[in-house]
Amino acid sequence: GDSVTQMEGPVTLSEEAFLTINCTYTATGYPSLFWYVQYPGEGLQLLLKATKADDKGSNKGFEATYRKETTSFHLEKGSVQVSDSAVYFCALTPTGNQFYFGTGTSLTVIP
Amino acid sequence: GAVVSQHPSWVICKSGTSVKIECRSLDFQATTMFWYRQFPKQSLMLMATSNEGSKATYEQGVEKDKFLINHASLTLSTLTVTSAHPEDSSFYICSARGGGGLTSTDTQYFGPGTRLTVL
Repeated sequence: GDSVTQMEGPVTLSEEAFLTINCTYTATGYPSLFWYVQYPGEGLQLLLKATKADDKGSNKGFEATYRKETTSFHLEKGSVQVSDSAVYFCALTPTGNQFYFGTGTSLTVIP
Repeated sequence: GAVVSQHPSWVICKSGTSVKIECRSLDFQATTMFWYRQFPKQSLMLMATSNEGSKATYEQGVEKDKFLINHASLTLSTLTVTSAHPEDSSFYICSARGGGGLTSTDTQYFGPGTRLTVL
């Protein structure tokens, strides 16, 4: 069945460091891929998405590229800030009706 | 655009009482809404999928008589936790699937969550 495997955390980085959070998926067909971010005590916010192979989603300095050959959708940011501290979820949907989430990766950025 | 609200954001109740949580899509119509439960430091657990005008589809292991879901309109779904007990204490999050137009039909838009504490 469809699934998402996400890099386990927690991840701790210094401010301005480079961030990568790995995400790989298993799916039949061509799912849409997402990264959501959850700040403490809040719901999930859509960070970025990509709907087909080689698409790059980007938002707020974060990027992720839909790689079908490696079934991956890794999240990257060149220079993290303290305000990026949150939990990040990778997700996929084959049709829009069923969504599959990774386990979440906690990121802490220290000044 | 694509704003989903939840009410209340925080509720404390006594054991045995019922609690209703509302989920509203404020600026779009949502045929499908989802209810999740999240335990501390864990991922989301899908409880049920709610389609407007029809019965909700519950995930395996979720008691439908305990977690009543109603999706009476294209902008409102409610989750009622009946006869709540301390083990029902959790963070409940709803989401709405985009309905087209300015929202994407392959994207879920999440509410801010409701923290339920049962004493």
